[in-house]
Amino acid sequence: EDQVTQSPEALRLQEGESSSLNCSYTVSGLRGLFWYRQDPGKGPEFLFTLYSAGEEKEKERLKATLTKKESFLHITAPKPEDSATYLCAVRLILTGGGNKLTFGTGTQLKVEL
Amino acid sequence: DAGITQSPRHKVTETGTPVTLRCHQTENHRYMYWYRQDPGHGLRLIHYSYGVKDTDKGEVSDGYSVSRSKTEDFLLTLESATSSQTSVYFCAISVGSVEQYFGPGTRLTVT
Repeated sequence: EDQVTQSPEALRLQEGESSSLNCSYTVSGLRGLFWYRQDPGKGPEFLFTLYSAGEEKEKERLKATLTKKESFLHITAPKPEDSATYLCAVRLILTGGGNKLTFGTGTQLKVEL
Repeated sequence: DAGITQSPRHKVTETGTPVTLRCHQTENHRYMYWYRQDPGHGLRLIHYSYGVKDTDKGEVSDGYSVSRSKTEDFLLTLESATSSQTSVYFCAISVGSVEQYFGPGTRLTVT
């Protein structure tokens, strides 16, 4: 059974203090690893998809990387507006061709001035 | 927001009553999904659809049914609501059958 574990559960950073969030996974054949951002009271917002070990994707202050067992979301010089819960998910292909995403429970990031 | 709306956005209902949540999309995507989100659990798939009248169960489907009579609408019905179904419900669509984009959510409270 696919499993996704995220750490830490919560993280407080000062503005400008870079850090990384971890997502470790156990799947039988990775078909894609996804990162989402979720603000309170809103739906998850898609950030990145990674498919193979060594792959990297960047968007503004965020960079996602992938190894055979885990993914990292690196946040460089964060700002208060980066405060959110970051979710990681792995993909299972469903009957009929759609996708099931198995999510971790998220890392709640708070960036303070 | 991938043109997804959910209604209602908030609902309070009593145990034993039926409840229907609606997901509407404007961009003709084939794949649609219903998830629930609870503290301590990741988002969990309830049901999904891969076309009009084509639906299947996800991992937490007991007590829920779905219908899709038009491409743009995917309905989730709680046949007889229970307190364990108090949750936030998210609809999602697939773009190119890979990335999923989520709606704003419906917060359901069953008293």
